[in-house]
Amino acid sequence: DIQMTQSPSYVSASVGDRVTITCRASQGISNWLVWYQQKPGKAPKLLISAASTLQSGVPSRFSGTGSGTDFTLTISSLQPEDFATYYCQQANSVPLTFGGGTKVEIK
Amino acid sequence: EVQLVESGGALVQPGRSLRLSCEASGFSFDDTGMHWVRQAPGKGLEWVSGISWNSVSIGYADSVKGRFTISRDNAKNSLYLQMDSLTIEDTALYYCAKAENWNYVGGSIEHWGLGTLVTVTS
Repeated sequence: DIQMTQSPSYVSASVGDRVTITCRASQGISNWLVWYQQKPGKAPKLLISAASTLQSGVPSRFSGTGSGTDFTLTISSLQPEDFATYYCQQANSVPLTFGGGTKVEIK
Repeated sequence: EVQLVESGGALVQPGRSLRLSCEASGFSFDDTGMHWVRQAPGKGLEWVSGISWNSVSIGYADSVKGRFTISRDNAKNSLYLQMDSLTIEDTALYYCAKAENWNYVGGSIEHWGLGTLVTVTS
């Protein structure tokens, strides 16, 4: 099974800050990497597919990069509505696996 | 608008069985892969199972393999998860989710339902 390691697991940041979340796969997954956002009490929401394809309606301050084993999600200027938990997921092979999550909280 | 409505969650004893259902609408269910994903209280997301549009391709997490069975009825726009030999570790909110394409691997999970809660306790 492919293990997905996210870091940090927690980040405290202010509105306007640039935030970067890293996701590392235990083996190469090409660009089969997906990012989700989950707010408390809500279902996850798809942000980015194929490592860097922003979903329709997702603000352009979100971006994703990477290929192979190392990936990043960047929020260029954190907004109040961005405080949430973010998960990466590999879509390369079964079983599909998620990272442990990164909780972004208000400083 | 894509809608996924889960049902069947309940409080059950260890060792018992439960069947979850998901009614889909707002998209072409019969040519789309589907997933079940779960989230234990206060924990992260765990993929449980996936199924291709025609049920030919099916996959499971190691933690549920041999105990859970995914299935679908395209005529009823419905997805199911038969859960047998339940353990306390299966306690979670179970989400039904729509795949990006015809299969459940090689793409994202595009849409999620609100979930149905399964609690396994003695």
